[in-house]
Amino acid sequence: DVKVTQSSRYLVKRTGEKVFLECVQDMDHENMFWYRQDPGLGLRLIYFSYDVKMKEKGDIPEGYSVSREKKERFSLILESASTNQTSMYLCASSTARTATNEKLFFGSGTQLSVL
Amino acid sequence: GESVGLHLPTLSVQEGDNSIINCAYSNSASDYFIWYKQESGKGPQFIIDIRSNMDKRQGQRVTVLLNKTVKHLSLQIAATQPGDSAVYFCAENLVGGNKLTFGTGTQLKVEL
Repeated sequence: DVKVTQSSRYLVKRTGEKVFLECVQDMDHENMFWYRQDPGLGLRLIYFSYDVKMKEKGDIPEGYSVSREKKERFSLILESASTNQTSMYLCASSTARTATNEKLFFGSGTQLSVL
Repeated sequence: GESVGLHLPTLSVQEGDNSIINCAYSNSASDYFIWYKQESGKGPQFIIDIRSNMDKRQGQRVTVLLNKTVKHLSLQIAATQPGDSAVYFCAENLVGGNKLTFGTGTQLKVEL
């Protein structure tokens, strides 16, 4: 089975801190994604990547950046955390380049609280 | 059905009954749809998918129906079990697009 591992289940940070969320997948997937999940708003795409050192903005990239130095690892960075970034963050990966087969495999999520 | 807002729509069913979860998608150009299940404390898990050239697809105890005329997608779960309690999300993909757009989710509660 595909495994997508997020390094932390819970994180508590202070406003203004730089925050790194790490994600690793073990199935050699080309595509990786970061979503945030908020009650009643569903999953919203922050950034995604189809290849090493490649990134594309999703629907809500403001306040975030990403890094993909290796195929299996995709990092989400909050340069200066703010309280409105308190959320559940979900990493996902998939094998297909064309979205008609875009079956995503998700990690268990990181619940980030910014105080 | 799913909608934008602070409150998650909830569907309560008795154990053993059939469940129908609805989703209204937004774009007539969407060509691929997926249902995900998210249990408490876990990430979403793939349930079933369907392409726009189909109107029905069946899996184990689940059926997805697609009505392109009214842009409506439904997930039917037969003989609902306590383990089916979760939040269910539909997602759509535009033709030629490179990402999925998710709905807001429906909470399914199975009553014993």
